[in-house]
Amino acid sequence: DAGVIQSPRHEVTEMGQEVTLRCKPISGHNSLFWYRQTMMRGLELLIYFNNNVPIDDSGMPEDRFSAKMPNASFSTLKIQPSEPRDSAVYFCASSTNRGYQPQHFGDGTRLSIL
Amino acid sequence: AQSVSQHNHHVILSEAASLELGCNYSYGGTVNLFWYVQYPGQHLQLLLKYFSGDPLVKGIKGFEAEFIKSKFSFNLRKPSVQWSDTAEYFCAVNEGGGSQGNLIFGKGTKLSVKP
Repeated sequence: DAGVIQSPRHEVTEMGQEVTLRCKPISGHNSLFWYRQTMMRGLELLIYFNNNVPIDDSGMPEDRFSAKMPNASFSTLKIQPSEPRDSAVYFCASSTNRGYQPQHFGDGTRLSIL
Repeated sequence: AQSVSQHNHHVILSEAASLELGCNYSYGGTVNLFWYVQYPGQHLQLLLKYFSGDPLVKGIKGFEAEFIKSKFSFNLRKPSVQWSDTAEYFCAVNEGGGSQGNLIFGKGTKLSVKP
């Protein structure tokens, strides 16, 4: 079975540029989550979707961040404009709608903003 | 609001030593509890989970965890660690009762096992 697929695996760009991270959840999973992981702050939930609808975006740091889920098999996390403090590993995870089912994580995108 | 506390930031053990990583959560209702492991440079993987039934849960690679409701705890244990257990371990909780919701993670505990 294909797991959660994220692209790109690594991204290095200059500050001010737009960055788009992509995620394909596991087929049949209704919930999708975007996390950010840094040494300082650990693992933070940015936003999650149920059935393509954003449910909680309180973790999105500021207006520079936006996320979309146009259909059940694709989501994007966009940063515009990017800043050096956005450098982190961004994980996407998916699960079924049942709370007792675990989330399955992608391999992450390591983002470096110069 | 829910929160998850992992008391140990970094644990260093020798091979064959026993392991216990603490996890406490703050939520009075029904909960689902998870332990995830993140090996160096990799993504998070599920070690074990509890949502009902026997409070002693067995997971992969010889790990187990015990849910003690009165103590709001879900500590992770392994009787004898190996060098390959070197990783970061995350405890996580969400509200029980059915729907998938916000999974709250602890800050993680780094485990270093000396060969």
